[in-house]
Amino acid sequence: RKEVEQDPGPFNVPEGATVAFNCTYSNSASQSFFWYRQDCRKEPKLLMSVYSSGNEDGRFTAQLNRASQYISLLIRDSKLSDSATYLCVVRSGGFKTIFGAGTRLFVKA
Amino acid sequence: DAGVIQSPRHEVTEMGQEVTLRCKPISGHNSLFWYRQTMMRGLELLIYFNNNVPIDDSGMPEDRFSAKMPNASFSTLKIQPSEPRDSAVYFCASSGRDLRSYNEQFFGPGTRLTVL
Repeated sequence: RKEVEQDPGPFNVPEGATVAFNCTYSNSASQSFFWYRQDCRKEPKLLMSVYSSGNEDGRFTAQLNRASQYISLLIRDSKLSDSATYLCVVRSGGFKTIFGAGTRLFVKA
Repeated sequence: DAGVIQSPRHEVTEMGQEVTLRCKPISGHNSLFWYRQTMMRGLELLIYFNNNVPIDDSGMPEDRFSAKMPNASFSTLKIQPSEPRDSAVYFCASSGRDLRSYNEQFFGPGTRLTVL
């Protein structure tokens, strides 16, 4: 079993749609959680950190469920520019960082 | 502000040759990470340094791979000898000391390596 698992997609949604991604992790001792975004042939960039209480940044909402060991990302009112690969990231003690394989999103007009 | 700088951006070499990838982290950052990304395996952490000291190299695939960080502003990843299965995009990332930058890793543009 992979340490961090994501549905690879692709998710094909129309503009304005709401889309949700889930990610599960196997190490119960994991301490920090993030969503990164990666555009085609570009480097990953931090989208948002994921806090235990859940957090929101504009159209993006992230949730953490430690008991079930999953993280979610909700995107509301999808834009064409949201088309990218979304990477779930889990960090255990120190800087040990595990990236999920990513979920591809295509937003179409 | 300059971000993480990597060179070369593209490298094409023949099997058996030595390859050296270079990285300059963001000034003031004290942690540096080397990743490899392929379609099959996704983004894998190879090694990371903290204050120029290698902390965890368990992700380095085999002895053909080595990494150094002689000072706070420079790191190299070397593959010797290279093999076709080493073809991938190699990313360097750095992370700083304050709360926000402690959480965020800033990635360089990557080096696209092709071994023929």
